[in-house]
Amino acid sequence: EIVLTQSPATLSLSPGERATLSCRASQSVSSYLAWYQQKPGQAPRLLIYDASNRATGIPARFSGSGSGTDFTLTISSLEPEDFAVYYCQQRSNWATWTFGQGTKVEIK
Amino acid sequence: QVTLRESGPALVKPTQTLTLTCTFSGFSLSTSGMCVSWIRQPPGKALEWLALIDWDDDKYYSTSLKTRLTISKDTSKNQVVLTMTNMDPVDTATYYCARIQSTIGFLDYWGQGTLVTVSS
Repeated sequence: EIVLTQSPATLSLSPGERATLSCRASQSVSSYLAWYQQKPGQAPRLLIYDASNRATGIPARFSGSGSGTDFTLTISSLEPEDFAVYYCQQRSNWATWTFGQGTKVEIK
Repeated sequence: QVTLRESGPALVKPTQTLTLTCTFSGFSLSTSGMCVSWIRQPPGKALEWLALIDWDDDKYYSTSLKTRLTISKDTSKNQVVLTMTNMDPVDTATYYCARIQSTIGFLDYWGQGTLVTVSS
């Protein structure tokens, strides 16, 4: 089973700052990686799919990059509504899907 | 407008079987490329993928839970059902269903989730 390791576990930043979140896979997932945002009491929301494609309605300040085993989610300038937990998820094949353990972006 | 809603018991006893229903609208599971998946999240913990069923009735399960899970669909009712046998307190979690369409290939619409507590 492919393991996804997210770092850091917690990121303490101020509004307006740039956030860089990392997701590393234990083996190559090609570009089959997504990022989700989850706020307290809510279901996750798809932000990025296929490593770098923004989902419908997602602001341009969110961008994704990477392929193979190393991926990055960047939030160019944090807005107050961006403080949340972010998960990466892979589907290297249709039969096995895994999530990372999450990165919490909190207000400094 | 795509919506999904999970329903099922809020409380189950250890060793019992859990049955959850995902009722959806705005798409059809008979359309090529459409899938529905189940995911769970224990309180304060990370997301865990459980199972997936596609338009062709192909089914996929989490390796660690596959002996306990069964996923099925009723296309006429726009429903997907997940059963999990031999429930344990560690299975206490919010259970979500979500849609996948092959053009995106990931979970693009989610239900609001249903909290299931396992306790005697």
